[in-house]
Amino acid sequence: DADVTQTPRNRITKTGKRIMLECSQTKGHDRMYWYRQDPGLGLRLIYYSFDVKDINKGEISDGYSVSRQAQAKFSLSLESAIPNQTALYFCATSELSGRWNEQFFGPGTRLTVL
Amino acid sequence: AQTVTQSQPEMSVQEAETVTLSCTYDTSESDYYLFWYKQPPSRQMILVIRQEAYKQQNATENRFSVNFQKAAKSFSLKISDSQLGDAAMYFCAYRTDNDMRFGAGTRLTVKP
Repeated sequence: DADVTQTPRNRITKTGKRIMLECSQTKGHDRMYWYRQDPGLGLRLIYYSFDVKDINKGEISDGYSVSRQAQAKFSLSLESAIPNQTALYFCATSELSGRWNEQFFGPGTRLTVL
Repeated sequence: AQTVTQSQPEMSVQEAETVTLSCTYDTSESDYYLFWYKQPPSRQMILVIRQEAYKQQNATENRFSVNFQKAAKSFSLKISDSQLGDAAMYFCAYRTDNDMRFGAGTRLTVKP
């Protein structure tokens, strides 16, 4: 079974709709992240959480919100989706401490906003 | 703000040959980590190799090695004996404790 899972894997929605992307992990990691990937821009950090009570904005948080429901779950919401939020979204996890704090990525969610 | 630049949007290499992907970054930090990730068509992000900034020795993982030039803020990836399975997008990334930045990526094509 995958250590970091994302649901849904693909989603098409309409402008103005509220949508939630979910991430779950079985790695026991404290830190969780949400990124979006756009062609020619690489991955950009939206939000990150170092534990259940800690939420931080990343490079591009406008238009997004997150909820850390438990150590293992971190969801990303688009309150009112717009077409330029069409992108590939990744969830990632890492340990709280450690030498590398290497990030482990989920399989991604392809979101299309019409 | 820290930035990561990959100046080669696309690269191609003949199977069994060697190719080098470029990456430069801008930071005022002294303690950081650098990574190369591979993203095949499956879109899964796969860690290829990593380097600690305080280590002078270049990291090596089988056919993958890096040329880390801290003063020049350069972190290039060399792939030796290229294989068809190496075809993918490659992302350079920079990490401090509270920040993670990726480059725009280089699409590598491997010709048989």
